[in-house]
Amino acid sequence: AQSVTQLGSHVSVSEGALVLLRCNYSSSVPPYLFWYVQYPNQGLQLLLKYTTGATLVKGINGFEAEFKKSETSFHLTKPSAHMSDAAEYFCAVNTGFQKLVFGTGTRLLVSP
Amino acid sequence: NAGVTQTPKFQVLKTGQSMTLQCAQDMNHNSMYWYRQDPGMGLRLIYYSASEGTTDKGEVPNGYNVSRLNKREFSLRLESAAPSQTSVYFCASSGSPGQPKELYGYTFGSGTRLTVV
Repeated sequence: AQSVTQLGSHVSVSEGALVLLRCNYSSSVPPYLFWYVQYPNQGLQLLLKYTTGATLVKGINGFEAEFKKSETSFHLTKPSAHMSDAAEYFCAVNTGFQKLVFGTGTRLLVSP
Repeated sequence: NAGVTQTPKFQVLKTGQSMTLQCAQDMNHNSMYWYRQDPGMGLRLIYYSASEGTTDKGEVPNGYNVSRLNKREFSLRLESAAPSQTSVYFCASSGSPGQPKELYGYTFGSGTRLTVV
């Protein structure tokens, strides 16, 4: 069965600092991987996705993620955090049959 | 562009009451989903509908029923609400006709916050 593990339920950074949110996956087949962001009292919004091809994927709001097959990882990064990045972030893997399995989420806190 | 619309946004039920959560999408998506979100547990799939006319159980279907009314609408029913069903419920859709399945991402509604007392 495919699954994702997000390390750290909360991550705190200062404004302007590097953001690193970790995601490791388990999959018996080539995975399709996604990052979603959820702002307070809103639904989830797609940040970026990896399907095939280039392993470094760029998304919205300056975020990017790198697919590393050898490490079974798909970590999300942003060079410089902004206050508006404070939200909850979810990693997800496509299990096939059009279903996504989500990680438990990481709440990003950004301090001035 | 409305995307995925969920109603109601908030609801308080008494134990044993029933209710239906409504979801509609206007993107001509084939597949629709219901998830529940609980603190520390991420999103868990309740039911999904891969295409009009079909529904299947997800990870946590007990206590729920669904109806895919047509291609646009997918409702979730709680027949006898329990406090354990207090949660935030999200509807999502995916899959435009002709789109490769591996490119599917989901479009989410804004959620229904349900409290069962």
